[in-house]
Amino acid sequence: DAKTTQPNSMESNEEEPVHLPCNHSTISGTDYIHWYRQLPSQGPEYVIHGLTSNVNNRMASLAIAEDRKSSTLILHRATLRDAAVYYCILRSTGNQFYFGTGTSLTVIP
Amino acid sequence: KAGVTQTPRYLIKTRGQQVTLSCSPISGHRSVSWYQQTPGQGLQFLFEYFSETQRNKGNFPGRFSGRQFSNSRSEMNVSTLELGDSALYLCASSFSVGGNTIYFGEGSWLTVV
Repeated sequence: DAKTTQPNSMESNEEEPVHLPCNHSTISGTDYIHWYRQLPSQGPEYVIHGLTSNVNNRMASLAIAEDRKSSTLILHRATLRDAAVYYCILRSTGNQFYFGTGTSLTVIP
Repeated sequence: KAGVTQTPRYLIKTRGQQVTLSCSPISGHRSVSWYQQTPGQGLQFLFEYFSETQRNKGNFPGRFSGRQFSNSRSEMNVSTLELGDSALYLCASSFSVGGNTIYFGEGSWLTVV
């Protein structure tokens, strides 16, 4: 599976939108883009995933570039509970998940 | 619906010993995968089981092994423990092999002294 590049850390003010970027220039046509997040002292939890089109769910939105070489996870209104490490993962169906180092998000009250 | 349950949550072992960790997947999920998380290496895939068969394997030495039972519950075993095996071991379950959404347990914290 192709690798992803994410910033090591980001900060956001509470109640403001957060845009978490992910670069994946070597993505293949069968790779889905997945986002998981890990809160302190917990296992990772699913956030969202997509293939080509932008996706929305109750937690976040996923914006995928037209060439699919980058994507952005959007938290519409950051809360203190959103402070976590966010992982952007590429994976073809049937293969295992490869987690990188992720982006550590700090939410400032 | 109960989530993924891992036991024990915390344990301390001595170098050279072995350890067995247990994972009960979400009801109805038949795939179980295991991950090791350390500060230096991050989250690394160990192996995945489906229908009692290992389907995928990560790049870990043979000291790390696992199995899955007919009720989908899984165990992983680490033999001849080394200090570097100290880590958080996470289990995740999904409905099928390589399912798009995997659900993690809270993990088992292993300390090797």
